[in-house]
Amino acid sequence: GENVEQHPSTLSVQEGDSAVIKCTYSDSASNYFPWYKQELGKGPQLIIDIRSNVGEKKDQRIAVTLNKTAKHFSLHITETQPEDSAVYFCAAPMNTGFQKLVFGTGTRLLVSP
Amino acid sequence: DAGVTQSPTHLIKTRGQQVTLRCSPISGHKSVSWYQQVLGQGPQFIFQYYEKEERGRGNFPDRFSARQFPNYSSELNVNALLLGDSALYLCASSATGGNYGYTFGSGTRLTVV
Repeated sequence: GENVEQHPSTLSVQEGDSAVIKCTYSDSASNYFPWYKQELGKGPQLIIDIRSNVGEKKDQRIAVTLNKTAKHFSLHITETQPEDSAVYFCAAPMNTGFQKLVFGTGTRLLVSP
Repeated sequence: DAGVTQSPTHLIKTRGQQVTLRCSPISGHKSVSWYQQVLGQGPQFIFQYYEKEERGRGNFPDRFSARQFPNYSSELNVNALLLGDSALYLCASSATGGNYGYTFGSGTRLTVV
């Protein structure tokens, strides 16, 4: 079935700590894995994505890792800052005759000063 | 360049009424997708349009319909509104019909009373 599981649902860290959010997907044909950040009153913003031909991608303090065998991918944020506080969503494409993005249930990240 | 623009930003309707939401994609983007985001959940796919043709439809009743115009803007219509239709409706555009490079608008917050 079409399913993307995401955990934890909430994550509280101290400023400077690292944060890790994990997702599992069900469609083995999925080949693109984006992460979105959603701030209050705004639409989701793409922060990083990875394609299935690589295992890891970094962009400054943000990294995404992918394990295609286990159908897991994770978001890693290092040296967290208060402005990182938001809801983060993972997503994966599901092919049902056409490709659509299926989103996880979201992780509320709170970074305390 | 302007991002994805949606109108109106907020809307209050009564049960049984009809509503039309509008979306203008990023200039040059030919694909528009609509998502419904209920409070506390991830976005759920409603429709995808590419080059003015419907590419796919999610698990939503026939009360939901959409169209894309020659200038690639799009409208989402919902008839016979129910309380459960209260949500943030998001529009995402991309250059092609695939899922890569989705850019979301800020959404329309619909409240049904």
